[in-house]
Amino acid sequence: SYELTQPPSVSVSPGQTARITCSGDALPKQYAYWYQQKPGQAPVLVIYKDSERPSGIPERFSGSSSGTTVTLTISGVQAEDEADYYCQSADSSGTHYVFGTGTKVTVL
Amino acid sequence: QLQLQESGPGLVKPSETLSLTCTVSGGSISSSSYYWGWIRQPPGKGLEWIGSIYYSGSTYYNPSLKSRVTISVDTSKNQFSLKLSSVTAADTAVYYCARLPSAVAGTGTDYWGQGTLVTVSS
Repeated sequence: SYELTQPPSVSVSPGQTARITCSGDALPKQYAYWYQQKPGQAPVLVIYKDSERPSGIPERFSGSSSGTTVTLTISGVQAEDEADYYCQSADSSGTHYVFGTGTKVTVL
Repeated sequence: QLQLQESGPGLVKPSETLSLTCTVSGGSISSSSYYWGWIRQPPGKGLEWIGSIYYSGSTYYNPSLKSRVTISVDTSKNQFSLKLSSVTAADTAVYYCARLPSAVAGTGTDYWGQGTLVTVSS
C-alpha cells in the first residue's frame, strides 16, 4: 500500500527554522496537505495544495514541493509551534488518501 | 461556520460492530464539491484514513480495512455514518469525521469533528 514517510522528530530553538519533509512516490501527481496537532486536539490544516496557507494560519508556515518530496517550513519558530505535524496526500488514482508517519516538533 | 460532530458508543466489545454517526451543521453534506470521511488515531499513534463518501453514496475505503468497513450517507439528516465490524483491541482509537480535500474547491481536510474515543474491551 502507498506510504508517506516523515522524520520522527525535529528539534529547533526559538526563532530558528524548522523543516519537515514528507516523501512519497505519487507526490509529483497529487497535492500534499499539512496538519498541526496538539495534544488532545483535532488536527488543524496549515498548508493545502502543497504551498497554500489557509486564512488564519501565520505567515511563518510555508510549503514547497520538489519531485517526490514535499516540505513544511516553519520560519521563526515559536514555543506555540511545538506539536505533531502530519502530511496527507492521495495515491496515484487520487481516490485513496494516506497520512504521513508524523513528525514531533520540539522547541528547545 | 461548518461544524461536524461524532456520536456513538464509547465502548464496544471484541468481535462486535463499531457504529458512529457524524452530524454536519452549518452547511450541506450534499455539496457537489466535497467528499466526507472518517479518520482514526490510536492512542499515542498517527492518523489513519478509514474511508470517504460522496453525497451520492460513492465510497472509497482504506484497503487494510475494506473487508470490515461500511460508510453510508443520509442526506435528509445531513449525516454520514461508519460501521466497522469484527473489532479487536487494535481498533481502539479516537475516531474523527471530517470534510476531505477537494480538487474542485481547492481545499484540504479543513473541517474536523472534535473526535470520539472508542475503546474495544470486554
